[in-house]
Amino acid sequence: AQTVTQSQPEMSVQEAETVTLSCTYDTSESDYYLFWYKQPPSRQMILVIRQEAYKQQNATENRFSVNFQKAAKSFSLKISDSQLGDAAMYFCAYTSGGSQGNLIFGKGTKLSVKP
Amino acid sequence: DAEITQSPRHKITETGRQVTLACHQTWNHNNMFWYRQDLGHGLRLIHYSYGVQDTNKGEVSDGYSVSRSNTEDLPLTLESAASSQTSVYFCASSDGLHTQYFGPGTRLTVL
Repeated sequence: AQTVTQSQPEMSVQEAETVTLSCTYDTSESDYYLFWYKQPPSRQMILVIRQEAYKQQNATENRFSVNFQKAAKSFSLKISDSQLGDAAMYFCAYTSGGSQGNLIFGKGTKLSVKP
Repeated sequence: DAEITQSPRHKITETGRQVTLACHQTWNHNNMFWYRQDLGHGLRLIHYSYGVQDTNKGEVSDGYSVSRSNTEDLPLTLESAASSQTSVYFCASSDGLHTQYFGPGTRLTVL
């Protein structure tokens, strides 16, 4: 069975600095997708970034980028120029290419941003 | 704009009562999902549907049921609410291209 592990329950970063959140996953499949979701105190789950396993290029969305290491089964999220609004829970998620979207989530990392 | 809504946003009920949580999406997505979120567990899949009249069990389906009579709605029913079902419930939908979009969540308390 596929699993997703986030080994950092909590992280802290200074405003304007860079922080990296870690995620590892376990799968025997070659076709899959990885996601980072943000959950602020409002509780809304917000898609941050998505990576297709068949793409070698790391996905980027403005200040958010990933380091996708397929052989190591690692999928970390880098947040550059951190802002107070980045403070939230961040969840890493996996879905198989053949599953039509059933997501498997990690347990989350709580990110605090210090002014 | 297309969206996904859940109602109620907060619900308090008693053990043994039947409860139904509503989920409505205007994305016209075929795929819909229900998750529960508990401290220390992240989000776990309860049930999902790939289209009208299709329903499937997820990881934690015991005590829950769903039905899909149209594309827009996937109500989640707790047949006999238990205290262990106190949680935050999220509905999501997907266009089949593997990205899910989530509703705002329903906080359910079972006393």
